[in-house]
Amino acid sequence: LAKTTQPISMDSYEGQEVNITCSHNNIATNDYITWYQQFPSQGPRFIIQGYKTKVTNEVASLFIPADRKSSTLSLPRVSLSDTAVYYCLVGESSNTGKLIFGQGTTLQVKP
Amino acid sequence: NAGVTQTPKFRVLKTGQSMTLLCAQDMNHEYMYWYRQDPGMGLRLIHYSVGEGTTAKGEVPDGYNVSRLKKQNFLLGLESAAPSQTSVYFCASSFLAGGRNEQFFGPGTRLTVL
Repeated sequence: LAKTTQPISMDSYEGQEVNITCSHNNIATNDYITWYQQFPSQGPRFIIQGYKTKVTNEVASLFIPADRKSSTLSLPRVSLSDTAVYYCLVGESSNTGKLIFGQGTTLQVKP
Repeated sequence: NAGVTQTPKFRVLKTGQSMTLLCAQDMNHEYMYWYRQDPGMGLRLIHYSVGEGTTAKGEVPDGYNVSRLKKQNFLLGLESAAPSQTSVYFCASSFLAGGRNEQFFGPGTRLTVL
């Protein structure tokens, strides 16, 4: 399983766009990139997943360059309720079911 | 549709006591997982199951046992609790395997071992 590296913490203000970059230099051909969000005292929640290029849903966008060694989660116009820990995970489509969570990025949105 | 539920929500144990945490999902998912999360840390995989009657070790399996007798339930057991097992325990389930899946998490069980 590829190891991921992301910033420990980030600060932003309401209404700004936030970009969180994750490095995964050892990503394998079959690996997908997934981002989860976790609020205090809650379990993580799936945000978005991608394999290459760009993926967008109602919550966020995920940008993946051609070499796939990094990815960027983009949160448009954040609000105070987006304050949370964001995890980048890399895993393959296999029968093991295993995913490895790193320390994540703590995003603090200020008014 | 309750999703993933965990019982109990809180528990305090004395060193050496045993207990079982119950996870239940009503989404007919094949894959289920148990994680622990220590303060300020990410989640660490304890054990997981790829189907009814199967279990496998994760990153930190020592001191824990699991069973998956029914597809919808995944039990995590602590035979002799230690203070190092004080943590928040999360259960999750998914329809697909590996990195292609979306894991659905329960609300967590906060365990304190004195």
